[in-house]
Amino acid sequence: AQSVAQPEDQVNVAEGNPLTVKCTYSVSGNPYLFWYVQYPNRGLQFLLKYITGDNLVKGSYGFEAEFNKSQTSFHLKKPSALVSDSALYFCAVSSSFDRGSTLGRLYFGRGTQLTVWP
Amino acid sequence: DTEVTQTPKHLVMGMTNKKSLKCEQHMGHRAMYWYKQKAKKPPELMFVYSYEKLSINESVPSRFSPECPNSSLLNLHLHALQPEDSALYLCASSQGLAQSYEQYFGPGTRLTVT
Repeated sequence: AQSVAQPEDQVNVAEGNPLTVKCTYSVSGNPYLFWYVQYPNRGLQFLLKYITGDNLVKGSYGFEAEFNKSQTSFHLKKPSALVSDSALYFCAVSSSFDRGSTLGRLYFGRGTQLTVWP
Repeated sequence: DTEVTQTPKHLVMGMTNKKSLKCEQHMGHRAMYWYKQKAKKPPELMFVYSYEKLSINESVPSRFSPECPNSSLLNLHLHALQPEDSALYLCASSQGLAQSYEQYFGPGTRLTVT
């Protein structure tokens, strides 16, 4: 079965500093990896995805993520954090092996609350 | 346009009421989803529709009844809910069910069952 781990419930960083939100995954087959962000009282917003190709993926709002196959990780990064980046971040995975009743399913991590302080 | 809209934004209902949640997308997506989300938790998949046909039902109680009248609309009919059903209900859509497609989420309906 596919799974995602976000080992940190909370990440705190000062504005202007680089930020990293960690994600590791376990799948059968090839992984398709996604990052979503959720602001208070809002739906999830798609940030970026890794399907194949270049291991460094660039997404919305200056975020990027690096796919590392050997470490089964897909950490989210931003070179300079903003207070407005404070939100709940979810990593999610699907698999090339998903078929039938599992096709279309995203497996979410438990989420990481990012707080950027001024 | 990557917008998914949901109505109403907030809903308070008693345990004997019948209500419906509505979701709409105009991106030409052929897959649509219902999720339930409790505070500070990841979304939990409830139903998946593909080409207007139910593809996944995550063993959701029958007091939740989904409907997909056309490729742009998705409804969730609610009846005889319990207080533990109070949550944020999210609708999402994607181009199709392929594993590589990202899902686009609506803002959600905050449901309170009294």
